[in-house]
Amino acid sequence: DTAVSQTPKYLVTQMGNDKSIKCEQNLGHDTMYWYKQDSKKFLKIMFSYNNKELIINETVPNRFSPKSPDKAHLNLHINSLELGDSAVYFCASSQDRSQETQYFGPGTRLLVL
Amino acid sequence: AQSVTQLDSHVSVSEGTPVLLRCNYSSSYSPSLFWYVQHPNKGLQLLLKYTSAATLVKGINGFEAEFKKSETSFHLTKPSAHMSDAAEYFCVVKTGFQKLVFGTGTRLLVSP
Repeated sequence: DTAVSQTPKYLVTQMGNDKSIKCEQNLGHDTMYWYKQDSKKFLKIMFSYNNKELIINETVPNRFSPKSPDKAHLNLHINSLELGDSAVYFCASSQDRSQETQYFGPGTRLLVL
Repeated sequence: AQSVTQLDSHVSVSEGTPVLLRCNYSSSYSPSLFWYVQHPNKGLQLLLKYTSAATLVKGINGFEAEFKKSETSFHLTKPSAHMSDAAEYFCVVKTGFQKLVFGTGTRLLVSP
């Protein structure tokens, strides 16, 4: 009964490929997020959805496209993968957009070769 | 713009000794501040949060932090370190745009 789950846990792929990461939360939260953590552990928000509506869209290349089919799911699709996309991607959720407490998934470790 | 600075990239302590992880914030108004912990190969977990109530905030696992406006600090402390406390700790501020801004992290190493 994991609160925030992500699949896959590890993803190794070649440059130029297209890949997706899935996230699901069973907490009944309204708001979900994607974060990127680089090799120096720096964590930065990429996107946020509230009830399937995009509310935060940081300066992220157009190759990254989030999709929220319902408020329990927020998927991240990445086109034309580049070496610099290698990172750990975390999904998170919060009760609502006030963000007082966020619950994080275990992360997806993406390695682009 | 709101930001946080974690003053130490690594802190090493012996088991049973006190822990001090330092964080300074920059904010044009009263901020909401958080400490998150990340154990190896795990997601982040909220330790504690300050949202303009009591300045001394108690969190999980015996951690606490004190908000000091005069020093613009929000340092994390624990009286006695345990081996299981070894992890990466992030100081976080919530911006006016409803975003969380993370510090660069402090790795806590605990030796027996």
